[in-house]
Amino acid sequence: ETGVTQTPRHLVMGMTNKKSLKCEQHLGHNAMYWYKQSAKKPLELMFVYSLEERVENNSVPSRFSPECPNSSHLFLHLHTLQPEDSALYLCASSPEDTYPIYGYTFGSGTRLTVV
Amino acid sequence: AQSVAQPEDQVNVAEGNPLTVKCTYSVSGNPYLFWYVQYPNRGLQFLLKYITGDNLVKGSYGFEAEFNKSQTSFHLKKPSALVSDSALYFCAAHGGNNRLAFGKGNQVVVIP
Repeated sequence: ETGVTQTPRHLVMGMTNKKSLKCEQHLGHNAMYWYKQSAKKPLELMFVYSLEERVENNSVPSRFSPECPNSSHLFLHLHTLQPEDSALYLCASSPEDTYPIYGYTFGSGTRLTVV
Repeated sequence: AQSVAQPEDQVNVAEGNPLTVKCTYSVSGNPYLFWYVQYPNRGLQFLLKYITGDNLVKGSYGFEAEFNKSQTSFHLKKPSALVSDSALYFCAAHGGNNRLAFGKGNQVVVIP
């Protein structure tokens, strides 16, 4: 375990469903990230939270809605998704956003399949 | 804008042979460079990083990487590959007041 826990590990949902992905870290990090990983494409940064405030939203469709209730927890709420949203969703954390030397700590991801 | 290029989709190597995974970067300011490895159905795991100092960086599992400023490269190397090294490898770069930029990843296949 890396210290970043994601649940569920796998999720299959219909296009009309509503579901949420959860990420939890107890590393004392102040920044948390959502990434989308699709095959043979660079990791896509979706959202960034620093000190519980959203600081970046990379033109992500509104059917993805993040929430950061405290510095240890990050959610990604999903509704009316499309089949092309099927991917591995990774959560990461770092001690401070944009301070480079520490890198990021990643969770194991949630494999999402939209049917 | 920052960018990282990993030119090969897949690297095949025989077990026991040297392994090289290529990475070039484009960032503003001094680069901070990272390699991560991803095993199936897992997240990315940190392998090594270059921040400053010696251009040859040693990391986990016998991996090392060489920072070459003139060629803007940070190739990952291992002298003798193991079958267990088969995984997806990501290069990442940081420059200026920005976040990590990742490459698309290289699938490494070590053939017994």
